[in-house]
Amino acid sequence: ETGVTQTPRHLVMGMTNKKSLKCEQHLGHNAMYWYKQSAKKPLELMFVYNFKEQTENNSVPSRFSPECPNSSHLFLHLHTLQPEDSALYLCASSQELTSGQEQFFGPGTRLTVL
Amino acid sequence: RKEVEQDPGPFNVPEGATVAFNCTYSNSASQSFFWYRQDCRKEPKLLMSVYSSGNEDGRFTAQLNRASQYISLLIRDSKLSDSATYLCVVNAFNAGNMLTFGGGTRLMVKP
Repeated sequence: ETGVTQTPRHLVMGMTNKKSLKCEQHLGHNAMYWYKQSAKKPLELMFVYNFKEQTENNSVPSRFSPECPNSSHLFLHLHTLQPEDSALYLCASSQELTSGQEQFFGPGTRLTVL
Repeated sequence: RKEVEQDPGPFNVPEGATVAFNCTYSNSASQSFFWYRQDCRKEPKLLMSVYSSGNEDGRFTAQLNRASQYISLLIRDSKLSDSATYLCVVNAFNAGNMLTFGGGTRLMVKP
C-alpha cells in the first residue's frame, strides 16, 4: 500500500544532530498530521496542517519543527533532541479537516536518540 | 483522568471465541467515535466508525452509549488474524478532525 509513505523508516541520531522526517501522501488529501507514539503511551497528536497551513501545534517543543510545502508533502525537522524523544513518528492524512474523516497513516519512522 | 481509557489487556482467547472490549471517554463534547486496529510494528488502520445506533460489520459490532460515555467493540468467531491492538478513538465537537486515541487493548487469538 502506498497511500501515505514515510522516509526514513528507521533513524538513529545523536542529541546534537539535525535530521528531517519526510511524509508524502498520494491520496489527494488536504489535511495532514504528525503523531508521536511512545512505548506504553497513546498516540499523541503533534501538528495539524490544512491546505498547507498549520492549524494546530499541540504544545510540542521547539526542537520539533514542521514544514508543509504543499498539500502532498509534510516534513518534521529535528534538532537537539533528547533521548525521551525516541518513539515512532507517524504521519497521517485525511480528505478534509472536518470531524469524522478517516485518517490514513503512513508506516512511521522509528526514531532512536542516543 | 485519561481522555480515552482502555484496558490494555492482553486478552488471550481461543479461535472461535467471542471477545468484547470497552472504552470510556471523558469529554462529553465528543462527537465522532472510531475503532482503529494496529498490528505489531505497523501503522493504525480504521476498523470501523461507531454510530449512535450501533453498527455491525461482519463479525464486528460497535456500540456507543453517550449517557455513560462508553464505547464497545464485540468480535465474534475470533480468527488468528484478529490478533492486534485495538485503539478506541474519539473526536470532540468543534475540534476539526483532531483525534484523541486511547492506549489500545491488545488481543491475542490462540489456535
